[in-house]
Amino acid sequence: GAVVSQHPSWVICKSGTSVKIECRSLDFQATTMFWYRQFPKQSLMLMATSNEGSKATYEQGVEKDKFLINHASLTLSTLTVTSAHPEDSSFYICSARGTSGRRIVDTQYFGPGTRLTVL
Amino acid sequence: EDQVTQSPEALRLQEGESSSLNCSYTVSGLRGLFWYRQDPGKGPEFLFTLYSAGEEKEKERLKATLTKKESFLHITAPKPEDSATYLCAVQAYDYKLSFGAGTTVTVRA
Repeated sequence: GAVVSQHPSWVICKSGTSVKIECRSLDFQATTMFWYRQFPKQSLMLMATSNEGSKATYEQGVEKDKFLINHASLTLSTLTVTSAHPEDSSFYICSARGTSGRRIVDTQYFGPGTRLTVL
Repeated sequence: EDQVTQSPEALRLQEGESSSLNCSYTVSGLRGLFWYRQDPGKGPEFLFTLYSAGEEKEKERLKATLTKKESFLHITAPKPEDSATYLCAVQAYDYKLSFGAGTTVTVRA
């Protein structure tokens, strides 16, 4: 149990375009989802936290107008990178925690990640 | 500010050569300490959660322990498939995870 998927697994786009990444919890209800980015040979850096039906909370230094997060349902969150530039190229990973029936899924389970390359 | 320091940065082992990874932390209000495994180009895979000092958990060749200031991940008789980056993270009461930089383990056959 506790499976999280991401789509797409990789995307290449031109500078100035917008890219949407989906994160889905497949077998539990994700009351909270987290978005991270990871640069090569570095650890995960939290970008934002989103609770279902609420506005996302962004970490210091993360531009909320550039990285739009929507958590419209208990199984889906999306991250839209608007007007992408080459410096936005990175590995974006989501995670989720929530409930499955009466069980609290307290652990954050991670998706497989999305590799974004902006040309 | 929560801080997590992992050592060593890299570890090269011969198959069967047991070793330990260290994770030292400072956090205001520890909810849990997590260990994840990450393979190149993939998301982290959950291994263990430890909640209180003295707690131990095992899974196959891996064993995690926790004290008030650090956690150890012991790898017993590792195999090449244990090669990965092992990430330690602390969770505060806001449920956010703060990650260490990771230890990259390479096991040679």
